[in-house]
Amino acid sequence: QTVVTQEPSLTVSPGGTVTLTCASSTGAVTSGYYANWFQQKPGQAPRALIYYTNYRHSWTPARFSGSLLGGKAVLTLSGVQPEDEAEYYCLLYYGGAQGVFGGGTKLTVL
Amino acid sequence: EVQLVESGGGLVQPGGSLRLSCAASGFIFSNYWMTWVRQAPGKGLEWVANIKQDGSERYYVDSVKGRFTISRDNAKNSLFLELNSLRAEDMAVYYCARVPDAPDAPRTDFWGQGILVTVSS
Repeated sequence: QTVVTQEPSLTVSPGGTVTLTCASSTGAVTSGYYANWFQQKPGQAPRALIYYTNYRHSWTPARFSGSLLGGKAVLTLSGVQPEDEAEYYCLLYYGGAQGVFGGGTKLTVL
Repeated sequence: EVQLVESGGGLVQPGGSLRLSCAASGFIFSNYWMTWVRQAPGKGLEWVANIKQDGSERYYVDSVKGRFTISRDNAKNSLFLELNSLRAEDMAVYYCARVPDAPDAPRTDFWGQGILVTVSS
């Protein structure tokens, strides 16, 4: 049973920078896990932000960036806006397009 | 404009069955892998199943294997999820989503708005 782990919650000040991480119970996350990141606000469907670790979708603001660091996938938000308050999920693929989501990080902008 | 619209949800008793549908438009449906993701009330996202463009490959999360069946009708631009032997823990909002470039370099881009499945006696 593969487990993907994220911080349960984080708080950031408006205009600040915050880093969310995504770890795999199988070991270091590499580019081969094709990490995806999603944002979900209450009552809404998830919205794709990042794919292939660090590629932004056409609709993703430039303040969102993805990377690998210390064996984890990382989502960095720079210049955080109040509207960035949301739940963030990572998704790792383990072959055959079979995915596992992380438990989500609740980001509070305060 | 890519659109995915789920339907077929509702209230079902434990042990019962339901068939979810997802109507796709705005893209060439037969060119894409598709996936179902669910979210129990107040919980996180859970990947449930996906299906290859021609339906020849299907994958499921362990908790639904043998009970759920993913299928598609490319002529009708539709994705389905047959839910059988439903349990209380299957109660969730079910989302369909598109998965470009699977299985070699999968990513999930567009999502439907979700449909609620309630399992209760």
